[in-house]
Amino acid sequence: AQTVTQSQPEMSVQEAETVTLSCTYDTSESDYYLFWYKQPPSRQMILVIRQEAYKQQNATENRFSVNFQKAAKSFSLKISDSQLGDAAMYFCASTHLYNAGNMLTFGGGTRLMVKP
Amino acid sequence: DTGVSQDPRHKITKRGQNVTFRCDPISEHNRLYWYRQTLGQGPEFLTYFQNEAQLEKSRLLSDRFSAERPKGSFSTLEIQRTEQGDSAMYLCASSLALWAAQETQYFGPGTRLLVL
Repeated sequence: AQTVTQSQPEMSVQEAETVTLSCTYDTSESDYYLFWYKQPPSRQMILVIRQEAYKQQNATENRFSVNFQKAAKSFSLKISDSQLGDAAMYFCASTHLYNAGNMLTFGGGTRLMVKP
Repeated sequence: DTGVSQDPRHKITKRGQNVTFRCDPISEHNRLYWYRQTLGQGPEFLTYFQNEAQLEKSRLLSDRFSAERPKGSFSTLEIQRTEQGDSAMYLCASSLALWAAQETQYFGPGTRLLVL
């Protein structure tokens, strides 16, 4: 079974600054994928970034990047140049091949507040 | 808008009543997932379909929960004899799973259920 843990229930960042959200996971699988999803207030969840476990290079998507530490089973999200629109719940999630399709296992979430 | 849609968006019911939720996936998406999200938590996987086949249902919370996806298009999630503990957000997601590495789940806005 997979577990995902987000140890920061809330984080705040000043607009234009950088913030890092933490995530640790546990899995016995060798082929797995990791994700960060964003859930704005009263809006649907959207994918921010994904990381394939077999890739050593950290994924980046514009202002969003990850620090994937496979041995430590750590997967943090860095948001650079934070914007007011980044305020949301952020969920770390994992999946692995052939387990109920690609069912996602989510962490408990981190609420990010962005101060103007 | 060609995203995932869910109906209704909100449902208030009395304990013991049956409720049914509908999810319309993105056109041509072959996989459809149901998740439950309780307040302050990350989503929890319930079941999924590959086309019209329900390939995993062991995570449904009890035998009061059932799901269908006739003809591989829209899906319904039914909860019979609702209990107060069923109060939650029910999320639907769909994906085009050609091969696992490229699968991205697109989420709908959810149906928020309140059982009185």
